[in-house]
Amino acid sequence: GAVVSQHPSWVICKSGTSVKIECRSLDFQATTMFWYRQFPKQSLMLMATSNEGSKATYEQGVEKDKFLINHASLTLSTLTVTSAHPEDSSFYICSAPPPFQETQYFGPGTRLLVL
Amino acid sequence: DAKTTQPPSMDCAEGRAANLPCNHSTISGNEYVYWYRQIHSQGPQYIIHGLKNNETNEMASLIITEDRKSSTLILPHATLRDTAVYYCIVSTAGNTPLVFGKGTRLSVIA
Repeated sequence: GAVVSQHPSWVICKSGTSVKIECRSLDFQATTMFWYRQFPKQSLMLMATSNEGSKATYEQGVEKDKFLINHASLTLSTLTVTSAHPEDSSFYICSAPPPFQETQYFGPGTRLLVL
Repeated sequence: DAKTTQPPSMDCAEGRAANLPCNHSTISGNEYVYWYRQIHSQGPQYIIHGLKNNETNEMASLIITEDRKSSTLILPHATLRDTAVYYCIVSTAGNTPLVFGKGTRLSVIA
């Protein structure tokens, strides 16, 4: 299957700082990527849809000014958690559907811990 | 909200077949049935998907009922490494986000 990578795999930061998470499609171009987060013992929740060359669309309850998404190329989307707080600590996962395929593939996830 | 219903947990003996059921009675004609699994602290892994016909690949088989209102994922010879949360998802193909339910936690026991 297609490969999606994320960087970093884990990050620890102080409250009030910003953290950038990268999602890359390694062997295909992705005009769309999806960002999810997962709290302990819960399922994945969609945060936003990242569209190459245009603004991201956010799910209800997700603050667009706090979770900045940039999809600057067909292989890279970034999620920046601005002014992170302990409640932002979570597992952040991206996915991307390869063109002309019926499936989509997920990255390995980024675990964020805000102290 | 997820459009699927799965049992919260199942056990399976190592080496035996694991049969994971999923109900999706409100599935639309253009929606596929997807199965993913998530091993602890990893991103979801694609397993298999289908529209109407039964499907098989190197990982599993997918049996979809004729009315498409339910399906079963079959892992033919479960190993300890198959212990994970298995998600059944119905969705249209292409640039559509997947909606995850709570899944089934499969424990493979030696």
